[in-house]
Amino acid sequence: SAVISQKPSRDICQRGTSLTIQCQVDSQVTMMFWYRQQPGQSLTLIATANQGSEATYESGFVIDKFPISRPNLTFSTLTVSNMSPEDSSIYLCSVGGRGTTSTDTQYFGPGTRLTVL
Amino acid sequence: GENVEQHPSTLSVQEGDSAVIKCTYSDSASNYFPWYKQELGKRPQLIIDIRSNVGEKKDQRIAVTLNKTAKHFSLHITETQPEDSAVYFCAASSWGKLQFGAGTQVVVTP
Repeated sequence: SAVISQKPSRDICQRGTSLTIQCQVDSQVTMMFWYRQQPGQSLTLIATANQGSEATYESGFVIDKFPISRPNLTFSTLTVSNMSPEDSSIYLCSVGGRGTTSTDTQYFGPGTRLTVL
Repeated sequence: GENVEQHPSTLSVQEGDSAVIKCTYSDSASNYFPWYKQELGKRPQLIIDIRSNVGEKKDQRIAVTLNKTAKHFSLHITETQPEDSAVYFCAASSWGKLQFGAGTQVVVTP
């Protein structure tokens, strides 16, 4: 299966600042997604990162707060803007639609643990 | 949109016993149902999945069943081992997007 990496693995940030998280895959993938997982909670989809066009955001998430880039089929970034302590969470990217597998199957990166003070 | 409910939230089993986790979904258009296992501090790992044209799928000690009419699906783990201890998430997919259940903390005691 694809090797998915995320940078940074963890960070501690001050409120009001922004952090950009990178997701890199070792092969071209059709679909890339960004999720948030708050401590002890389930995974919530933030947006679908579309290659060559704007991301598609889920209800409750907006581009100004979580701008996303997807410049090619192996890379995406998520920025958490103007952070507050409520943004403390694990952010995970996932990929899907590789090769002949279904577009539904998703594999997750290792996650970025963000703490906002 | 899709809503996935998962039960129980915690499950404690004796090593060697079976564990069953149940999920229901709301969107009849959902056609793909994966299960993920997440160990503490690790990423979710896909352990088994089932599509809407199949009623049951098995992989060694784990199996998943799907009842499309009732809109529910279940994960069955037989002969549980301590390494099965983790949080398990069910999910339902329509149009490529996953909606996750709340998760089940499974503890296998020796």
